[in-house]
Amino acid sequence: GAGVSQSPSNKVTEKGKDVELRCDPISGHTALYWYRQRLGQGLEFLIYFQGNSAPDKSGLPSDRFSAERTGESVSTLTIQRTQQEDSAVYLCASSLRGGRVDYEQYFGPGTRLTVT
Amino acid sequence: GQQVMQIPQYQHVQEGEDFTTYCNSSTTLSNIQWYKQRPGGHPVFLIQLVKSGEVKKQKRLTFQFGEAKKNSSLHITATQTTDVGTYFCAGRSSNTGKLIFGQGTTLQVKP
Repeated sequence: GAGVSQSPSNKVTEKGKDVELRCDPISGHTALYWYRQRLGQGLEFLIYFQGNSAPDKSGLPSDRFSAERTGESVSTLTIQRTQQEDSAVYLCASSLRGGRVDYEQYFGPGTRLTVT
Repeated sequence: GQQVMQIPQYQHVQEGEDFTTYCNSSTTLSNIQWYKQRPGGHPVFLIQLVKSGEVKKQKRLTFQFGEAKKNSSLHITATQTTDVGTYFCAGRSSNTGKLIFGQGTTLQVKP
């Protein structure tokens, strides 16, 4: 079946503008994760959804970042008043379930955000 | 705070040589996962280890979970150019329940 999809694949925006990134998880996957990956760096956890609730928002770097999820489907990550340090690839992943028992995460292709 | 450290950060090997990356946690992990990210690609799940001292093999790849469940390793025997990429470990803390990714080890293989 279809994997995790993300849109847009690339986004160039001016400093100070808001951006919205979208993630479509695999159908039936209740857990959804957002990560940030700066060039040549590891994965930085941002937020985790179980269904449409977010039990772990600890990774959101500032109040400019927010995310929501509709039911057990689409999620959007919104970055307000973008800064140059926000430039990175934003990866979304989904898994069958979340919580303390782990299932493998399936990653989307990512959205490359460039803030000029 | 809790950290998951991976070493080395980079490794260049000649094709046919072996390669090992190590993952070390400051606290006990309930499980550990390994992912591979090819250049320009996204992470792809390789394996999950749950039991203390567990060893799993996938062809030329051998994964180990330490007895104390604080460290793990991935060993590749006789590397091939297709092994090129960044290998990440991700550990679930037994205390906090948080899943933390290591910074990754980037492997380059010279043909």
